[in-house]
Amino acid sequence: DTAVSQTPKYLVTQMGNDKSIKCEQNLGHDTMYWYKQDSKKFLKIMFSYNNKELIINETVPNRFSPKSPDKAHLNLHINSLELGDSAVYFCASSQEQEGPGTGELFFGEGSRLTVL
Amino acid sequence: GEDVEQSLFLSVREGDSSVINCTYTDSSSTYLYWYKQEPGAGLQLLTYIFSNMDMKQDQRLTVLLNKKDKHLSLRIADTQTGDSAIYFCAETAYSSASKIIFGSGTRLSIRP
Repeated sequence: DTAVSQTPKYLVTQMGNDKSIKCEQNLGHDTMYWYKQDSKKFLKIMFSYNNKELIINETVPNRFSPKSPDKAHLNLHINSLELGDSAVYFCASSQEQEGPGTGELFFGEGSRLTVL
Repeated sequence: GEDVEQSLFLSVREGDSSVINCTYTDSSSTYLYWYKQEPGAGLQLLTYIFSNMDMKQDQRLTVLLNKKDKHLSLRIADTQTGDSAIYFCAETAYSSASKIIFGSGTRLSIRP
């Protein structure tokens, strides 16, 4: 029973297209994230939502738009895809936003996006 | 700013100890973490240390924290082939407790 699941796992598309990646967590966590991992394995935070509210928005182009219909789901829509968007996108969730606790992140398996 | 640095590669012989090092800039971090990423998978928390601790031991893993030098290390005793992975150091950011900043990752390879 997967805790954080993302779909699709692989996505190959042409430049200029629009695509979405979906994420769902069944852990009952309040906070969800999108991270981008490039070809050199650098991992950078893109967005974070707490109870459907955007709390972290790093310097990400406006072409990327996250949407959280409820606290168990955080989807990522990307408009006008560019070659540089090719990466593995990881969804993650955690229980605490503030206060005590480890803030452990639980990651999905990643969605590999290839833009041709 | 918030920055976490690690060396990119480490190669050790099976059975030896592996030591992966990390430096960070945010002295206000509450927790520091080590995550492990196996090929084709997401990251998994390996261990963590609270910032008021110097050392934490968990079976084959030993975490050392030097707050003065902002240096964190992970020692894996008796390294096995199953330990081959990328290891990420991470810290909570001063700007937001829910923002975890990752290092570049150290790829650990095991020689027979």
